[in-house]
Amino acid sequence: EADIYQTPRYLVIGTGKKITLECSQTMGHDKMYWYQQDPGMELHLIHYSYGVNSTEKGDLSSESTVSRIRTEHFPLTLESARPSHTSQYLCASSESSSYNSPLHFGNGTRLTVT
Amino acid sequence: AQTVTQSQPEMSVQEAETVTLSCTYDTSENNYYLFWYKQPPSRQMILVIRQEAYKQQNATENRFSVNFQKAAKSFSLKISDSQLGDTAMYFCAFMIHSGTYKYIFGTGTRLKVLA
Repeated sequence: EADIYQTPRYLVIGTGKKITLECSQTMGHDKMYWYQQDPGMELHLIHYSYGVNSTEKGDLSSESTVSRIRTEHFPLTLESARPSHTSQYLCASSESSSYNSPLHFGNGTRLTVT
Repeated sequence: AQTVTQSQPEMSVQEAETVTLSCTYDTSENNYYLFWYKQPPSRQMILVIRQEAYKQQNATENRFSVNFQKAAKSFSLKISDSQLGDTAMYFCAFMIHSGTYKYIFGTGTRLKVLA
């Protein structure tokens, strides 16, 4: 049973549209992450947050933006979707209390931009 | 640069047999943590097993165990008594103990357990 929720699960949208991918967790975790994953490929970190009002860009350049106004909520926004944004987006969170705290993942959002 | 290499893109194993997935990594850090994650088809990615680099003893979790060779920077996963539910993508990852809490993932190994 997932304690971290992503919506929508699947999204097909036209080029130029603005979209927001939602991610919420109920575990009280301070650290949250967004990863981009192409089918059968590794995960690339695009954004992360260590707490409220804290956001950083990850290793993979992304045209998306994130916000962290509440601990439990970490939405990702694309202002103008393009076909190159077609991918799976995984949200994850982890505890701050221990360094070996593992990542807890959501089910992912599979985005297709036509 | 910190990297994780999984040299086996795909593997298969017969049900009830044992399989080993390889993982090597590169880092100049001394304190770090290693993980294996499992991503079943169309399902949530979950933690399989984790290892602290400062611990010499290999971690075990039921049918899953690791062979951690720090000097060789190797972190392989052994699955014993393979079950159909073990069919998944397996990702090796490490996290540097430097306060950034960023994880580096490998490209994954697709494991198929055959009936």
